[in-house]
Amino acid sequence: GENVEQHPSTLSVQEGDSAVIKCTYSDSASNYFPWYKQELGKRPQLIIDIRSNVGEKKDQRIAVTLNKTAKHFSLHITETQPEDSAVYFCAASKGTYKYIFGTGTRLKVLA
Amino acid sequence: NAGVTQTPKFQVLKTGQSMTLQCAQDMNHNSMYWYRQDPGMGLRLIYYSASEGTTDKGEVPNGYNVSRLNKREFSLRLESAAPSQTSVYFCASSDTAQGIIQYFGAGTRLSVL
Repeated sequence: GENVEQHPSTLSVQEGDSAVIKCTYSDSASNYFPWYKQELGKRPQLIIDIRSNVGEKKDQRIAVTLNKTAKHFSLHITETQPEDSAVYFCAASKGTYKYIFGTGTRLKVLA
Repeated sequence: NAGVTQTPKFQVLKTGQSMTLQCAQDMNHNSMYWYRQDPGMGLRLIYYSASEGTTDKGEVPNGYNVSRLNKREFSLRLESAAPSQTSVYFCASSDTAQGIIQYFGAGTRLSVL
């Protein structure tokens, strides 16, 4: 069935370093890929997304890249700060209600 | 500026009890969703409502029922709670069934003993 694998499950970086989280999807018809940030005990928040007709999208310190051939997409956070510490979820969709979520990455930014 | 509002925030039930989780959005969105979040797993879709008057099963619908009361409100009911339904439940909305799910509620943490 449709599946999204997310790696790593936990990631620790020093403040100021970069963090990269990778997701691989199984359904080649997927065409929309959002990323959510969830702070402890809070709701998921959409932080960036990309559609299949674009290879890269950037928003300040956050960027997402998409490789349709390899069926993977990645979240890049540069110049990490303590407030970036959270769980990050990727998802894939075929442009409908049906989002398949990854299992999450717990990012810890060490001061 | 409430967005998506869920009640209650916390609930403890005994096996076999029933309860309804309430969700309301004030963004005039057409589509609404119920997800559950379990440790080590991503969000899984329980039910969704593409528009007022319609509901459909998601990935994990067993043991749940939903009602789209009007455009604003979408409730989730557990008729006979089971320990396997211990989870955090999130309601969400989007402008259309193809729209971006940008807004989630604050979540309901449910424990079934």
